[in-house]
Amino acid sequence: NAGVTQTPKFQVLKTGQSMTLQCAQDMNHNSMYWYRQDPGMGLRLIYYSASEGTTDKGEVPNGYNVSRLNKREFSLRLESAAPSQTSVYFCASSPWYSNQPQHFGDGTRLSIL
Amino acid sequence: QKEVEQDPGPLSVPEGAIVSLNCTYSNSAFQYFMWYRQYSRKGPELLMYTYSSGNKEDGRFTAQVDKSSKYISLFIRDSQPSDSATYLCAMILNAGGTSYGKLTFGQGTILTVHP
Repeated sequence: NAGVTQTPKFQVLKTGQSMTLQCAQDMNHNSMYWYRQDPGMGLRLIYYSASEGTTDKGEVPNGYNVSRLNKREFSLRLESAAPSQTSVYFCASSPWYSNQPQHFGDGTRLSIL
Repeated sequence: QKEVEQDPGPLSVPEGAIVSLNCTYSNSAFQYFMWYRQYSRKGPELLMYTYSSGNKEDGRFTAQVDKSSKYISLFIRDSQPSDSATYLCAMILNAGGTSYGKLTFGQGTILTVHP
């Protein structure tokens, strides 16, 4: 039982390049989330998808786009990467967007030069 | 003032000690409480989930919620070196709020258990 799987685990980009981070969950969860984690800033929500077919902005959406491909998969795209987007990105899922705890993947470490 | 305050530590204890980790919050509408453990270069792992005041026990871990004081705690008994990690508290507002469903995290406490 893999839970939440993120690919790639590491990536280095140059400023201005584009990149899509992939996330898949096998727990039959309806809701999925993208976070970034930075030292001193904690975990911040970028975008979320409460259910298949819907997406909404979180706390720090600028510079990112998302696609809920199907119930299992939720991708995060950086169209024109900037050094400020250097971070560790986590995908999470929960049964519903409500009072349910979220389950996290192991992250993608992204460096933008 | 942050909605959720957590002492970042670091906290260093000897093996076998009882560890107490704490968070305070300012919004009484928080009703659902979680503790996550995060090892270095890994994602947060759910340890405990509770929604009522009082204690919930799971093995060596006890989560305590005091809604009247807006205070939650995680106790680790007989701590082991394998417990060395960052511990994050998190909470969700109750239904009806505009941020219902949004997970609000504390900053995390770095714990080291030395042999």
